[in-house]
Amino acid sequence: EAQVTQNPRYLITVTGKKLTVTCSQNMNHEYMSWYRQDPGLGLRQIYYSMNVEVTDKGDVPEGYKVSRKEKRNFPLILESPSPNQTSLYFCASSLSPDRGWYEQYFGPGTRLTVT
Amino acid sequence: AQSVAQPEDQVNVAEGNPLTVKCTYSVSGNPYLFWYVQYPNRGLQFLLKYITGDNLVKGSYGFEAEFNKSQTSFHLKKPSALVSDSALYFCAVREGDKIIFGKGTRLHILP
Repeated sequence: EAQVTQNPRYLITVTGKKLTVTCSQNMNHEYMSWYRQDPGLGLRQIYYSMNVEVTDKGDVPEGYKVSRKEKRNFPLILESPSPNQTSLYFCASSLSPDRGWYEQYFGPGTRLTVT
Repeated sequence: AQSVAQPEDQVNVAEGNPLTVKCTYSVSGNPYLFWYVQYPNRGLQFLLKYITGDNLVKGSYGFEAEFNKSQTSFHLKKPSALVSDSALYFCAVREGDKIIFGKGTRLHILP
């Protein structure tokens, strides 16, 4: 089954404790992206990757890191989480924009609470 | 400048009536436009997209959207609403290599 998986689905942590949210897709997609969803603000893109070893900032990259060492994986790293990073996070993937703009497939979401 | 705007936070429609969820955009060049739906406690699902061609785009679950270049709009429509259409709807637009989402419109279909 074609899917995007995220782990963990729920996470409660404390300020400053480094964490990683994993994202994996099995569709051989080139484009992957991370979003955060906050009430009244919709979805905002954090980082995206056009392909392996190619990443770029979205609209709200501060406080986050990403890496793309393999095509299927795109982890989101919070080196020192703060309470304002409490949010619902989505990973998404699609075929390469170089081939045209295709729909994104979204993971189920990770609800992060930073206290 | 905001690339995509959804002017209504919430839309209420009686079951069986036609529905419209509004979206306007502001990008340079040819727009690439999308609609996604989010059901409670779920990720987003793709509904339809406009890249080029016919201004009326048909998508999943009986939804369609009308691209209007002069009004820079891409409104989502359905001829007859179902209670199961109640969800959060997002319009999105391509801006360079990024995808910009609107703030979402919550659609309530009243039985």
